[in-house]
Amino acid sequence: QLTQSPSFLSPSVGDRVTITCRASQDIRNYLAWYQQKPGKAPKLLIYSASALQGGVPSRFSGSGSGTEFTLTISSLQPEDVATYYCQQPTTYPLTFGGGTKVEIK
Amino acid sequence: QVQVVQSGAEVKKPGASVTVSCKASGYTFTDYYIHWIRQAPGQGLEWMGRINPKSGNTFYANTFHDRVTVTRDTSLSTVYMELRGLRSDDTAVYYCARNLTPEGLYFLDSWGQGSLVTVSS
Repeated sequence: QLTQSPSFLSPSVGDRVTITCRASQDIRNYLAWYQQKPGKAPKLLIYSASALQGGVPSRFSGSGSGTEFTLTISSLQPEDVATYYCQQPTTYPLTFGGGTKVEIK
Repeated sequence: QVQVVQSGAEVKKPGASVTVSCKASGYTFTDYYIHWIRQAPGQGLEWMGRINPKSGNTFYANTFHDRVTVTRDTSLSTVYMELRGLRSDDTAVYYCARNLTPEGLYFLDSWGQGSLVTVSS
């Protein structure tokens, strides 16, 4: 089970944004982060906790291992308005966190 | 480039079945697992199951085990997801997604555009 926090964020453009995902058991570095914009399919941002998927801006970064993980946006841009999900890729059923909705203040 | 294109929206009555298709291109179809994920209106993501297109081997979430079947047609590079015994709470957008790598961990890198299935009497 994956628990994300917070469920909602309202930062300003240029702010540093941090989203946390906690796993109910040790999942090593086996975690992904996805971005979903309204009306669109999710997009893979980060895999293996910290590996940036090709084409993803470098302001996105991931860290953590074991049971606690973090997605950071170093300087929030207007196009980053979205819901962000974490996902564990190893144990069936694959599971996602509940999501963190990011809106611009 | 990798593309995953799904079939269009469907409206079904309770108790009916629906089949959603997922056509892949731009890579060797049999090399990468395909997963199915759904998202109810305003809700999060729920994994349903996956298929190994090379062998046809499948694995389903217990929640759907008795109602879902995923198959593939390698000649068409297409995967199909059938959901039976539809209920109103099956109303959702259904996504297929490709595994990031041919083997190993189930990270999902290429997603279809989604297929809205509406269940209503």
